[in-house]
Amino acid sequence: DIQMTQSPSSLSASVGDRVTITCRASQSISSYLNWYQQKPGKAPKLLIYAASSLQSGVPSRFSGSGSGTDFTLTISSLQPEDFATYYCQQSYSTSPAFGQGTKVEIK
Amino acid sequence: EVQLVESGGGLVQPGRSLRLSCAASGFTFDDYAMHWVRQAPGKGLEWVSGISWNSGSIGYADSVKGRFTISRDNAKNSLYLQMNSLRAEDTALYYCAKGTIAVAGDRQVFDYWGQGTLVTVSS
Repeated sequence: DIQMTQSPSSLSASVGDRVTITCRASQSISSYLNWYQQKPGKAPKLLIYAASSLQSGVPSRFSGSGSGTDFTLTISSLQPEDFATYYCQQSYSTSPAFGQGTKVEIK
Repeated sequence: EVQLVESGGGLVQPGRSLRLSCAASGFTFDDYAMHWVRQAPGKGLEWVSGISWNSGSIGYADSVKGRFTISRDNAKNSLYLQMNSLRAEDTALYYCAKGTIAVAGDRQVFDYWGQGTLVTVSS
């Protein structure tokens, strides 16, 4: 099975900061990597699919990059509503797997 | 507007069974694969099972294989998860999620999620 590892597990940032979250796959997954945002008590929300494609309705301050085994989610200017937990998910294999999550907290 | 509403969760003893349901609306249900994803309290997301548009392709996580059965009724726009031989480690919030393609298997992206139904396995 493909394992997904995110770093860091948590981070503290201020409004307006540029934030970068990394996701690494245990083997090459081409560009089959998706990002989700989950706020406390809420269902996950799809942000980015196929490594860099922005889901409809998602603000352009969110962007994704990478291919192969290493991927990045970037928030260009952190907004108050962006404080949440972010998960990557590989869609390369028949057993979709998520990273362990990165919690973005207010500094 | 896409809506996914889960039901059927509750408190159940180890070894017993439970059946979850997901009622879908706002999209053409039989055009898409559907999935169950769970989240244990305070933990991350775990894909549980997926089913293709016509039930022709089904997949399960190793952790539930042989105990859980996914099914769908396209006439009722509904997805189900029959959970047998439940264990304490199955305790989680179970989400119904819509896929972006018709087939199950690889290339799965989950673009809409329900609010989840809580399953607690405890004596």
